Amino acid sequence: QKEVEQNSGPLSVPEGAIASLNCTYSDRVSQSFFWYRQYSGKSPELIMSIYSNGDKEDGRFTAQLNKASQYVSLLIRDSQPSDSATYLCAVKGPRAGGTSYGKLTFGQGTILTVHP
Amino acid sequence: GAGVSQSPRYKVAKRGQDVALRCDPISGHVSLFWYQQALGQGPEFLTYFQNEAQLDKSGLPSDRFFAERPEGSVSTLKIQRTQQEDSAVYLCASSPTGGREKLFFGSGTQLSVL
Repeated sequence: QKEVEQNSGPLSVPEGAIASLNCTYSDRVSQSFFWYRQYSGKSPELIMSIYSNGDKEDGRFTAQLNKASQYVSLLIRDSQPSDSATYLCAVKGPRAGGTSYGKLTFGQGTILTVHP
Repeated sequence: GAGVSQSPRYKVAKRGQDVALRCDPISGHVSLFWYQQALGQGPEFLTYFQNEAQLDKSGLPSDRFFAERPEGSVSTLKIQRTQQEDSAVYLCASSPTGGREKLFFGSGTQLSVL
């Protein structure tokens, strides 16, 4: 089982619809959760972070975390063609003793296409 | 600098050749990560530095891969005797401390081994 798994894509939604991206993780002691967006040929950029159970909203984006189910999701409301990209779920493990370091593990990514 | 800088942007190597990839993180950033991203896949963790100390090298795929950050700033990822399966984009990322703050990624080095 992969440490971080994302729902298989590609995902295609019409402009204005809600896009739903899902991610599960295997390590129960994971502490921090992130969604990165990666345009083709570009490096990943952070769009959302979430650390506690529940929802976190930022503009058109909502991240949801359920630690009991080891599940994190990203909802994109009013999807735009410019949202078309690969979305990467990333999970940070617990701190290694005495340091602030926690290994950041990425899922395989979900390709989202928003068509006009 | 303004961002994380990686060089070269593209590298073509013949199988068996040694390569060195450079990462210049944001000034003052303590944490530095190297990731390998194959086509159509998410980034795979290679190694982590906190200042000059390499705290985690569990992701390095073989002893042909070696990374260093001798003065706690610029880092070099070296691949010896390159193989075709080493072809990928190598991403470097840095963060101020390695805690909850986000990673700042460089543009990556695309390595093609022929």
